[in-house]
Amino acid sequence: GAGVSQSPSNKVTEKGKDVELRCDPISGHTALYWYRQSLGQGLEFLIYFQGNSAPDKSGLPSDRFSAERTGGSVSTLTIQRTQQEDSAVYLCASRGRSNEQFFGPGTRLTVL
Amino acid sequence: GNSVTQMEGPVTLSEEAFLTINCTYTATGYPSLFWYVQYPGEGLQLLLKATKADDKGSNKGFEATYRKETTSFHLEKGSVQVSDSAVYFCALSVAGGFKTIFGAGTRLFVKA
Repeated sequence: GAGVSQSPSNKVTEKGKDVELRCDPISGHTALYWYRQSLGQGLEFLIYFQGNSAPDKSGLPSDRFSAERTGGSVSTLTIQRTQQEDSAVYLCASRGRSNEQFFGPGTRLTVL
Repeated sequence: GNSVTQMEGPVTLSEEAFLTINCTYTATGYPSLFWYVQYPGEGLQLLLKATKADDKGSNKGFEATYRKETTSFHLEKGSVQVSDSAVYFCALSVAGGFKTIFGAGTRLFVKA
């Protein structure tokens, strides 16, 4: 079946603008994760959704970052008033019954 | 707490050389262990996994053995190819836990 998809694949924005990044998880997967990967760095956990439970937001770096998941499926990560240090690849992953995570191709965000 | 430590890169090898990427972990409980691979310009994908002590995960000529006594899960391949050039991430997930903890990643370059 279809894998995890993310859009846009690339986003260039000006400092101070808001951006929205979208993730479509694998159908039926109840868990959804957002990560940030800065150039040459490992994965930084941002936020986790599991079913109808309250999300774990412990990884969000500032209150400019927020995320929601509508209807237990699609998720949107919003970054308000973007800064140059927000430039990174934002990865989404979903998980089914096993502990394996399935990753999307990522959105490369560049803040000028 | 739970953590993963993997060898720093980059690792540069000639084609057909033997590869070892070291990974050690600290975990409460009995973790599942994973190796993910990220090819240039792509998201992460699962390479192999092991769910209990002494299990050996294998895929595409890569293998890793879950060693509880040394808390290790080293990745090996007998003969690397140029196409194996990528970033490799060691990871763990504790049964019942929602987070997968990723290592920092090891970049592998294979020269023809």
